[in-house]
Amino acid sequence: DQQVKQNSPSLSVQEGRISILNCDYTNSMFDYFLWYKKYPAEGPTFLISISSIKDKNEDGRFTVFLNKSAKHLSLHIVPSQPGDSAVYFCAARGLTGGGNKLTFGTGTQLKVEL
Amino acid sequence: NAGVTQTPKFRILKIGQSMTLQCAQDMNHNYMYWYRQDPGMGLKLIYYSVGAGITDKGEVPNGYNVSRSTTEDFPLRLELAAPSQTSVYFCASRNPRLADGETQYFGPGTRLLVL
Repeated sequence: DQQVKQNSPSLSVQEGRISILNCDYTNSMFDYFLWYKKYPAEGPTFLISISSIKDKNEDGRFTVFLNKSAKHLSLHIVPSQPGDSAVYFCAARGLTGGGNKLTFGTGTQLKVEL
Repeated sequence: NAGVTQTPKFRILKIGQSMTLQCAQDMNHNYMYWYRQDPGMGLKLIYYSVGAGITDKGEVPNGYNVSRSTTEDFPLRLELAAPSQTSVYFCASRNPRLADGETQYFGPGTRLLVL
């Protein structure tokens, strides 16, 4: 049962354009969402997050939008740069259980082309 | 700060062998986690710890054991390696008392191949 879904395994965008990565979730108990970026042979690195009490969070070129009614979030990267080419994981935190565990999506491979 | 470190980077095991994946962090984080990532999949939580002496199972704990005797170290033990344990293993940590307390910081990973 995949509670966090990233339905696009890959995305190709031209440099300077907007990249939009999508994530859907099924568990209404998720209250905090994070995006991680991962380069090959490295661990994931934190990119941006959003609490369920907000619908938008912005950090430089990165903006995350949350639509709670649709159980959908998206990551916008504007403008896209070649160094943004990586795998992007969406993660969600549930309110139940200890340790504030994260549930990860399967990732979207973003390729930014010159 | 070195952050989260993991050793070894890569290991080949024969079926039935055992090994310990090492994880250490120097950020004084009390929460630590072990994940595995299979090709084309997201990260799955194996075990986690909320402090020294306290560990708990995650989503996929079978075939693994952990211990947490210090704040800094969180080793993952494979007792009888099986081909299904071929994966990339990531350790992570966080401190919920900090401003970025929800953020987990990851190590570089250990690639394990069981033949």
